[in-house]
Amino acid sequence: DAKTTQPTSMDCAEGRAANLPCNHSTISGNEYVYWYRQIHSQGPQYIIHGLKNNETNEMASLIITEDRKSSTLILPHATLRDTAVYYCIVRVSFFSSGSARQLTFGSGTQLTVLP
Amino acid sequence: EPEVTQTPSHQVTQMGQEVILRCVPISNHLYFYWYRQILGQKVEFLVSFYNNEISEKSEIFDDQFSVERPDGSNFTLKIRSTKLEDSAMYFCASTSDRGFNQPQHFGDGTRLSIL
Repeated sequence: DAKTTQPTSMDCAEGRAANLPCNHSTISGNEYVYWYRQIHSQGPQYIIHGLKNNETNEMASLIITEDRKSSTLILPHATLRDTAVYYCIVRVSFFSSGSARQLTFGSGTQLTVLP
Repeated sequence: EPEVTQTPSHQVTQMGQEVILRCVPISNHLYFYWYRQILGQKVEFLVSFYNNEISEKSEIFDDQFSVERPDGSNFTLKIRSTKLEDSAMYFCASTSDRGFNQPQHFGDGTRLSIL
């Protein structure tokens, strides 16, 4: 089963920042936090991942709390095309497991960006 | 940007028939995966594949399923005798072997419909 808890749904106004929370209170020291999204039954799309430091790329920012028990994905300027299901996934690191382990998807958060 | 490609996009098959789903992973990737998503349900892991053998498989991946990398570019999933409950989206994913927790990249899937 997924080791994360996310709200079922959220709305965000177009052009505003979308902040998607995720709880992963049982995360281990060797587990990364990954975020993916799925737009209307397309394949899951990788967004960002991190271990303990905050991360930013061209798509989003990831803020991980100091105790690593929760994180927030930030889409700085949401557009209508960001409407999707967003998945927060924890996964053991490559170095710990010796293999690139599978992703365990939960139900995610349905983000709807409103015009 | 390199991407995972899957063919066909939609496959309709009679129950009991064999079906082969095809994937071309990203060219320098070495770990390959199949996932499935039944309509309205979560994305579920089926199998991972590395160095020409199965690394891990879920309990869904029973004797009716097999995977193969027949050449240097293709990765296939075969279902020997399809059942109605095999109807789902099937996603292929791949990741590189650089050992730095590289993300899995997904194709857009094959919709399998069993009649």
